[in-house]
Amino acid sequence: GAVVSQHPSRVICKSGTSVKIECRSLDFQATTMFWYRQFPKKSLMLMATSNEGSKATYEQGVEKDKFLINHASLTLSTLTVTSAHPEDSSFYICSATPPGQDYNEQFFGPGTRLTVL
Amino acid sequence: GQNIDQPTEMTATEGAIVQINCTYQTSGFNGLFWYQQHAGEAPTFLSYNVLDGLEEKGRFSSFLSRSKGYSYLLLKELQMKDSASYLCAVSNSNYQLIWGAGTKLIIKP
Repeated sequence: GAVVSQHPSRVICKSGTSVKIECRSLDFQATTMFWYRQFPKKSLMLMATSNEGSKATYEQGVEKDKFLINHASLTLSTLTVTSAHPEDSSFYICSATPPGQDYNEQFFGPGTRLTVL
Repeated sequence: GQNIDQPTEMTATEGAIVQINCTYQTSGFNGLFWYQQHAGEAPTFLSYNVLDGLEEKGRFSSFLSRSKGYSYLLLKELQMKDSASYLCAVSNSNYQLIWGAGTKLIIKP
Protein backbone atom coordinates (compact mmCIF):
# COMPACT_ATOMS: atom_id res chain seq x y z
CA GLY A 1 0.00 0.00 0.00
CA ALA A 2 0.88 3.66 -0.29
CA VAL A 3 3.11 5.06 2.43
CA VAL A 4 3.12 8.60 3.76
CA SER A 5 5.72 9.75 6.25
CA GLN A 6 5.85 12.78 8.49
CA HIS A 7 8.69 14.42 10.31
CA PRO A 8 9.10 15.18 13.14
CA SER A 9 6.75 12.90 15.05
CA ARG A 10 6.89 15.11 18.11
CA VAL A 11 8.09 18.64 18.70
CA ILE A 12 8.15 20.92 21.70
CA CYS A 13 8.91 24.58 21.16
CA LYS A 14 8.75 27.91 22.90
CA SER A 15 6.02 30.40 22.21
CA GLY A 16 6.92 32.72 19.32
CA THR A 17 9.08 30.29 17.41
CA SER A 18 8.25 28.71 14.06
CA VAL A 19 7.97 24.99 13.46
CA LYS A 20 8.20 23.16 10.14
CA ILE A 21 6.50 19.81 9.58
CA GLU A 22 7.33 17.69 6.54
CA CYS A 23 4.99 15.29 4.79
CA ARG A 24 6.37 12.89 2.20
CA SER A 25 4.77 10.33 -0.08
CA LEU A 26 7.34 7.56 -0.17
CA ASP A 27 6.21 5.32 -3.01
CA PHE A 28 3.95 7.48 -5.12
CA GLN A 29 3.69 10.98 -6.49
CA ALA A 30 1.07 13.19 -4.92
CA THR A 31 -0.11 16.30 -6.72
CA THR A 32 -2.41 16.96 -3.80
CA MET A 33 -1.83 16.52 -0.09
CA PHE A 34 -4.10 17.39 2.79
CA TRP A 35 -3.23 18.90 6.15
CA TYR A 36 -5.41 18.21 9.20
CA ARG A 37 -5.27 19.10 12.84
CA GLN A 38 -6.90 17.17 15.62
CA PHE A 39 -7.57 18.23 19.18
CA PRO A 40 -7.95 15.58 21.91
CA LYS A 41 -11.16 13.61 21.56
CA LYS A 42 -12.16 15.67 18.54
CA SER A 43 -12.51 14.91 14.88
CA LEU A 44 -10.03 15.61 12.15
CA MET A 45 -10.30 19.17 10.93
CA LEU A 46 -9.13 19.87 7.40
CA MET A 47 -6.86 22.91 7.43
CA ALA A 48 -5.81 23.13 3.82
CA THR A 49 -5.31 21.32 0.56
CA SER A 50 -1.75 21.48 -0.67
CA ASN A 51 -1.31 21.60 -4.44
CA GLU A 52 2.02 20.87 -6.11
CA GLY A 53 3.34 23.91 -7.89
CA SER A 54 0.58 26.25 -6.83
CA LYS A 55 -0.88 27.92 -3.78
CA ALA A 56 -2.59 25.90 -1.12
CA THR A 57 -6.34 26.12 -0.64
CA TYR A 58 -7.17 26.99 2.95
CA GLU A 59 -10.37 26.13 4.76
CA GLN A 60 -12.48 28.89 6.23
CA GLY A 61 -11.09 30.17 9.49
CA VAL A 62 -7.54 28.92 8.91
CA GLU A 63 -4.97 31.74 8.76
CA LYS A 64 -2.81 31.24 5.71
CA ASP A 65 -0.14 33.61 7.02
CA LYS A 66 0.15 31.60 10.19
CA PHE A 67 0.08 28.15 8.63
CA LEU A 68 2.37 28.34 5.63
CA ILE A 69 2.15 25.46 3.19
CA ASN A 70 4.66 24.71 0.48
CA HIS A 71 4.28 21.83 -1.96
CA ALA A 72 7.49 22.17 -3.91
CA SER A 73 7.68 18.67 -5.32
CA LEU A 74 5.41 15.74 -6.09
CA THR A 75 6.54 13.91 -2.97
CA LEU A 76 6.93 16.66 -0.38
CA SER A 77 4.64 19.15 1.29
CA THR A 78 5.62 21.25 4.29
CA LEU A 79 3.51 23.00 6.91
CA THR A 80 5.16 25.79 8.86
CA VAL A 81 3.44 27.03 11.97
CA THR A 82 4.75 30.58 12.32
CA SER A 83 5.04 32.37 15.65
CA ALA A 84 3.53 29.41 17.43
CA HIS A 85 1.45 29.93 20.57
CA PRO A 86 0.14 27.46 23.14
CA GLU A 87 -3.26 27.34 21.43
CA ASP A 88 -1.51 25.92 18.35
CA SER A 89 -0.62 22.82 20.33
CA SER A 90 -2.32 19.97 18.54
CA PHE A 91 -1.87 16.79 16.53
CA TYR A 92 -1.12 17.63 12.90
CA ILE A 93 -1.67 14.95 10.27
CA CYS A 94 -1.10 14.95 6.55
CA SER A 95 -2.60 12.66 3.95
CA ALA A 96 -2.43 11.97 0.25
CA THR A 97 -4.24 9.95 -2.37
CA PRO A 98 -2.19 7.93 -4.86
CA PRO A 99 -3.11 8.53 -8.51
CA GLY A 100 -5.20 6.05 -10.41
CA GLN A 101 -7.32 4.86 -7.51
CA ASP A 102 -10.94 3.91 -8.04
CA TYR A 103 -11.90 6.02 -5.09
CA ASN A 104 -10.16 8.75 -3.20
CA GLU A 105 -8.89 6.78 -0.22
CA GLN A 106 -6.54 8.96 1.73
CA PHE A 107 -3.36 7.51 3.20
CA PHE A 108 -2.28 9.25 6.36
CA GLY A 109 1.10 10.06 7.74
CA PRO A 110 1.80 9.06 11.35
CA GLY A 111 1.12 12.58 12.59
CA THR A 112 3.13 15.25 14.41
CA ARG A 113 2.34 16.19 17.98
CA LEU A 114 3.15 19.85 18.53
CA THR A 115 3.42 21.25 22.03
CA VAL A 116 4.00 24.98 22.39
CA LEU A 117 5.16 26.09 25.81
CA GLY B 1 -24.49 22.69 6.39
CA GLN B 2 -22.71 19.38 6.21
CA ASN B 3 -22.87 17.08 9.18
CA ILE B 4 -21.74 13.63 10.23
CA ASP B 5 -23.18 12.12 13.42
CA GLN B 6 -21.91 9.11 15.28
CA PRO B 7 -22.02 8.11 18.94
CA THR B 8 -19.27 9.51 21.11
CA GLU B 9 -18.46 6.31 22.95
CA MET B 10 -19.48 2.67 23.05
CA THR B 11 -18.51 -0.23 25.27
CA ALA B 12 -18.51 -3.90 24.30
CA THR B 13 -17.22 -7.22 25.58
CA GLU B 14 -14.35 -9.20 24.13
CA GLY B 15 -15.67 -11.83 21.70
CA ALA B 16 -18.97 -10.03 21.17
CA ILE B 17 -20.36 -8.04 18.23
CA VAL B 18 -20.76 -4.27 18.10
CA GLN B 19 -22.42 -1.97 15.57
CA ILE B 20 -21.33 1.65 15.22
CA ASN B 21 -23.82 3.87 13.43
CA CYS B 22 -23.17 6.94 11.30
CA THR B 23 -25.69 9.34 9.79
CA TYR B 24 -24.74 12.05 7.38
CA GLN B 25 -25.98 15.13 5.58
CA THR B 26 -23.59 16.37 2.93
CA SER B 27 -23.61 18.38 -0.28
CA GLY B 28 -23.46 15.46 -2.67
CA PHE B 29 -22.13 11.97 -2.07
CA ASN B 30 -19.16 10.17 -3.54
CA GLY B 31 -18.69 7.43 -1.02
CA LEU B 32 -18.38 6.79 2.69
CA PHE B 33 -15.26 5.70 4.51
CA TRP B 34 -14.62 4.09 7.87
CA TYR B 35 -11.23 4.58 9.48
CA GLN B 36 -9.76 3.21 12.70
CA GLN B 37 -7.62 5.46 14.86
CA HIS B 38 -5.68 4.33 17.91
CA ALA B 39 -4.83 6.99 20.46
CA GLY B 40 -1.95 9.18 19.33
CA GLU B 41 -1.77 7.58 15.92
CA ALA B 42 -2.99 8.45 12.45
CA PRO B 43 -6.19 6.93 11.03
CA THR B 44 -6.00 3.71 9.06
CA PHE B 45 -8.45 2.74 6.34
CA LEU B 46 -11.07 0.09 7.10
CA SER B 47 -13.74 0.24 4.41
CA TYR B 48 -15.36 2.17 1.60
CA ASN B 49 -19.02 2.07 0.49
CA VAL B 50 -20.45 3.91 -2.48
CA LEU B 51 -23.39 1.64 -3.35
CA ASP B 52 -26.15 0.51 -1.03
CA GLY B 53 -25.59 -2.72 0.79
CA LEU B 54 -23.15 -4.59 2.94
CA GLU B 55 -19.41 -4.89 2.33
CA GLU B 56 -17.74 -7.64 4.33
CA LYS B 57 -14.04 -7.78 5.05
CA GLY B 58 -13.03 -10.38 7.60
CA ARG B 59 -14.30 -9.48 11.05
CA PHE B 60 -15.38 -6.04 9.86
CA SER B 61 -18.43 -5.22 7.72
CA SER B 62 -19.81 -1.89 6.60
CA PHE B 63 -23.33 -1.10 5.44
CA LEU B 64 -24.66 1.85 3.49
CA SER B 65 -28.13 3.21 2.75
CA ARG B 66 -27.86 6.33 0.61
CA SER B 67 -31.58 7.08 0.74
CA LYS B 68 -31.43 7.19 4.54
CA GLY B 69 -28.04 8.88 4.77
CA TYR B 70 -26.97 6.06 7.03
CA SER B 71 -24.10 3.67 7.48
CA TYR B 72 -22.89 1.28 10.12
CA LEU B 73 -19.67 -0.51 10.88
CA LEU B 74 -20.07 -3.99 12.31
CA LEU B 75 -17.24 -5.56 14.25
CA LYS B 76 -17.44 -9.25 15.08
CA GLU B 77 -15.44 -11.44 17.47
CA LEU B 78 -14.15 -8.38 19.24
CA GLN B 79 -10.56 -8.39 20.40
CA MET B 80 -8.89 -6.13 22.92
CA LYS B 81 -6.84 -4.58 20.12
CA ASP B 82 -10.06 -3.30 18.56
CA SER B 83 -10.21 -0.68 21.30
CA ALA B 84 -9.84 2.51 19.28
CA SER B 85 -11.78 5.38 17.79
CA TYR B 86 -13.74 4.68 14.62
CA LEU B 87 -14.18 7.59 12.23
CA CYS B 88 -16.91 7.90 9.64
CA ALA B 89 -16.12 10.18 6.69
CA VAL B 90 -18.14 11.10 3.62
CA SER B 91 -16.75 12.25 0.30
CA ASN B 92 -18.98 15.07 -0.94
CA SER B 93 -19.62 16.37 -4.45
CA ASN B 94 -16.23 18.11 -4.43
CA TYR B 95 -14.52 14.89 -3.31
CA GLN B 96 -13.74 16.61 -0.03
CA LEU B 97 -13.84 14.33 3.01
CA ILE B 98 -16.24 15.42 5.73
CA TRP B 99 -15.33 13.75 9.01
CA GLY B 100 -17.41 12.66 11.96
CA ALA B 101 -16.09 13.23 15.46
CA GLY B 102 -15.37 9.54 15.89
CA THR B 103 -16.73 6.84 18.17
CA LYS B 104 -14.46 5.67 20.96
CA LEU B 105 -14.90 1.92 21.35
CA ILE B 106 -13.94 0.41 24.69
CA ILE B 107 -13.53 -3.36 24.83
CA LYS B 108 -13.83 -5.05 28.20
CA PRO B 109 -12.58 -8.56 28.98
